[in-house]
Amino acid sequence: GENVEQHPSTLSVQEGDSAVIKCTYSDSASNYFPWYKQELGKGPQLIIDIRSNVGEKKDQRIAVTLNKTAKHFSLHITETQPEDSAVYFCAASPFKAAGNKLTFGGGTRVLVKP
Amino acid sequence: EAGVVQSPRYKIIEKKQPVAFWCNPISGHNTLYWYLQNLGQGPELLIRYENEEAVDDSQLPKDRFSAERLKGVDSTLKIQPAELGDSAVYLCASSLGRGASGSSGELFFGEGSRLTVL
Repeated sequence: GENVEQHPSTLSVQEGDSAVIKCTYSDSASNYFPWYKQELGKGPQLIIDIRSNVGEKKDQRIAVTLNKTAKHFSLHITETQPEDSAVYFCAASPFKAAGNKLTFGGGTRVLVKP
Repeated sequence: EAGVVQSPRYKIIEKKQPVAFWCNPISGHNTLYWYLQNLGQGPELLIRYENEEAVDDSQLPKDRFSAERLKGVDSTLKIQPAELGDSAVYLCASSLGRGASGSSGELFFGEGSRLTVL
């Protein structure tokens, strides 16, 4: 089955700096890569996703890049703000229509210091 | 629009006792998931339903765990008997079903049910 590894496990940045989280996956059949943000006491919430026919996607201060050859993808957060402090999870799935089977990474706890 | 609703939010039980968690998905979402989240780790899929049918339960420990979604709407996850290692957060999620118009693959999670087994 799919195995997703995520680094680093914790990340502390100064407000305004950038944060980068990296993930690798093992199954070449995976072609859907979402990122979820989980705040304390809440369930994960989708913040951005990318499919294998796209190399990069950007939404305001967040961007995701995908390298299918190397089987890795990354999340970039620019101009970090205190509300970006949370745990971030990458995931991978063989996406078929709406029914997908996500395998999550272990998570990265991001702390943005004011 | 209401999100995914789970109850109870917190449950403390002694080992060997039974426990049940309930989930009501977003209206119109045909696919329902139960995930297990251990402290400091990512969610792990336990079971996925398409309407009433469990289409993926390969990771569900069937000796003590059971789940049902009788009418294709809300769902219950049961553990009997509970063990110390079952202490975790149990997350329910829902999404639009296969082939549904406008489906993006996004999972909508509830806030989870935190189980502590003493």
